[in-house]
Order: sequence, then C-alpha cells, then structure tokens
Amino acid sequence: EAGVTQFPSHSVIEKGQTVTLRCDPISGHDNLYWYRRVMGKEIKFLLHFVKESKQDESGMPNNRFLAERTGGTYSTLKVQPAELEDSGVYFCASSLMVRAGGQFFGPGTRLTVL
Amino acid sequence: DQQVKQNSPSLSVQEGRISILNCDYTNSMFDYFLWYKKYPAEGPTFLISISSIKDKNEDGRFTVFLNKSAKHLSLHIVPSQPGDSAVYFCAAVLMEYGNKLVFGAGTILRVKS
Repeated sequence: EAGVTQFPSHSVIEKGQTVTLRCDPISGHDNLYWYRRVMGKEIKFLLHFVKESKQDESGMPNNRFLAERTGGTYSTLKVQPAELEDSGVYFCASSLMVRAGGQFFGPGTRLTVL
Repeated sequence: DQQVKQNSPSLSVQEGRISILNCDYTNSMFDYFLWYKKYPAEGPTFLISISSIKDKNEDGRFTVFLNKSAKHLSLHIVPSQPGDSAVYFCAAVLMEYGNKLVFGAGTILRVKS
C-alpha cells in the first residue's frame, strides 16, 4: 500500500512569490492533517480535514495560507505571498480514524523562502 | 506557549546500553502521549503511545513511562542499536479536539557502535 506522498520534496522561492504544496493521503483515509516544522523547532499543527471539510484550522498562521481538499482526496496548501518566516518543512499526515497513533506522515516538503 | 517540551536537544549512547528520552508537558487534559521517530528526509513514524490512565506501556525494546503528577513521560530503549539513531519527538493529543498532535521540539539520539 502506498504511503502518504508529498510534492515537491523541496521548493526554493523568493519572498513575495506563491508556492503550492501538494499532499496525497493514503487511499481511503478521510482524515488529512498539515503540520509545519520551522528551524528545527517543534512540529506544529496547521489544520485538519475530514474528507473535503475543514474540521480544525486553528493552527493556520494567517490568511496568506490557503488549504483545500477538493473531492476529499488530495490536498493543496498555498502560500501567497510567501514571507521569510514561512521557511520550514511542511508535513502532511493522514489517518483512517481519529485515534491516537493513527496518523501516517509523508516525507515533507522543505520550503525555503529567500 | 509550548505545551510539550523536550529539554534535551541531543543524546549519545553506546550500543547495547539504555537510551532514556524525556518529555514534559503542561496540559493535564491530554488523553494520550505518543513517541515518533524521524529519520532524515522522512516523515515522523509512530513508535509507541500511552493513555493518560496508564503509567507504563511496553513494546519490545521500547517502554514509555508516564508520571502524571509530575507531568513527565520518558521513553526507554533497551538495548539501544545503531539503527535507533534518529530524532525522537514526544507528542500529546486531546481526542476531543480531533486528534491533532502537539509536538515537542525533538531529541536527536545517536547510538554509537
């Protein structure tokens, strides 16, 4: 069974540009999460989808970040316009059910904003 | 406000010995605590969890201990192996909030052969 995949693996952009990250969850997983790790610090929750609906977006930093999950399959996270502090590794995770330990993480997208 | 803290950025242990990774938390309402392991260029992988109503959970070489009064948990790896070298993240979850994980900053474990 394929795991969670993320694209691209790396992205280097200039401040003010737009970047879109993509996450493909494990097939059949209704729950999809985005997290971010900045500069070797803790991994922070951004938001949680259940199918195509945003269940919890309390971790989204500001309105420059837009997440979508059309059709309840893959998800995109757009940053527009990107700022220097947006640099970090963006992880996506998916789970079949809401239970402890049930989240499977993708390899992450490393975003560098210059 | 960081609710989960891992105060040791790194730990070095000799192969065959015990590795002890520590984690402190501030929110007494957390339902579960988890440990994730992360290799470079990979995402975190679930390792072991413990319910807040337990004080110990064991899975092979890995044991997690929970001290609720001290708001402290630890992960013991016995015996440590070179393949255990990775970043270990402590995480906590409030199930009523949809299973979102609250992570610590991680501890880099290096097991020397």
